[in-house]
Amino acid sequence: QVQLVQSGAEVKKPGASVKVSCKASGYTFTGYYMHWVRQAPGQGLEWMGWINPNSGGTNYAQKFQGRVTMTRDTSISTAYMELSRLRSDDTAVYYCARARGKYSSSSSLDYWGQGTLVTVSS
Amino acid sequence: DVQMTQSPSSLSASVGDRVTITCQASQDISNYLNWYQEKPGKAPNLLIYDASNLERGVPSRFSGSGSGTDFTFTISSLQPEDIATYYCQQSDILPLTFGGGTKVEIK
Repeated sequence: QVQLVQSGAEVKKPGASVKVSCKASGYTFTGYYMHWVRQAPGQGLEWMGWINPNSGGTNYAQKFQGRVTMTRDTSISTAYMELSRLRSDDTAVYYCARARGKYSSSSSLDYWGQGTLVTVSS
Repeated sequence: DVQMTQSPSSLSASVGDRVTITCQASQDISNYLNWYQEKPGKAPNLLIYDASNLERGVPSRFSGSGSGTDFTFTISSLQPEDIATYYCQQSDILPLTFGGGTKVEIK
């Protein structure tokens, strides 16, 4: 069965960086784009971008351009999302989510990780 | 960016009631509209994709319709386990964008 397992909660100071991992299993990792979505406390869902695990190509939401880097390690079927220059309003649960359509960059998101809480506080 | 306007933002209904949520896109997105259920402390769960297709394993009381800019999500008979927040999401144009959510409660 498809599973996405994310790394644990993080507490960071303003200005620092955080790197969240997302280990995939139960399917061909390189066949499906991986998206990252975040949710601030009590707020809605915000799309951050995607990575094509096959090519390593990325597409980031303009809001995060210059601060976010998405990478992958195909040898261990793991995607990563690194966010730099953290601010207090980056405090959120960060999710990885698989695109439903094979080889489709723009798609519904059919499997989600459990979420990683990132708290930014001085 | 495509703006997704979801309404209502919250609703209260009785068990067995028919519940309807609407989602309006700021431009034509064809049928690239998806619906998710989110329960407290859990990741969102895909219920409906491409406006009207029921995801595997999702109960048939959930349904979706619409195309272009106007979409509807329906729970035909509300159950206690349906208490959650529901989000629409467009997947036609990047960036992917979500509606603001509808919190469904039991009356």
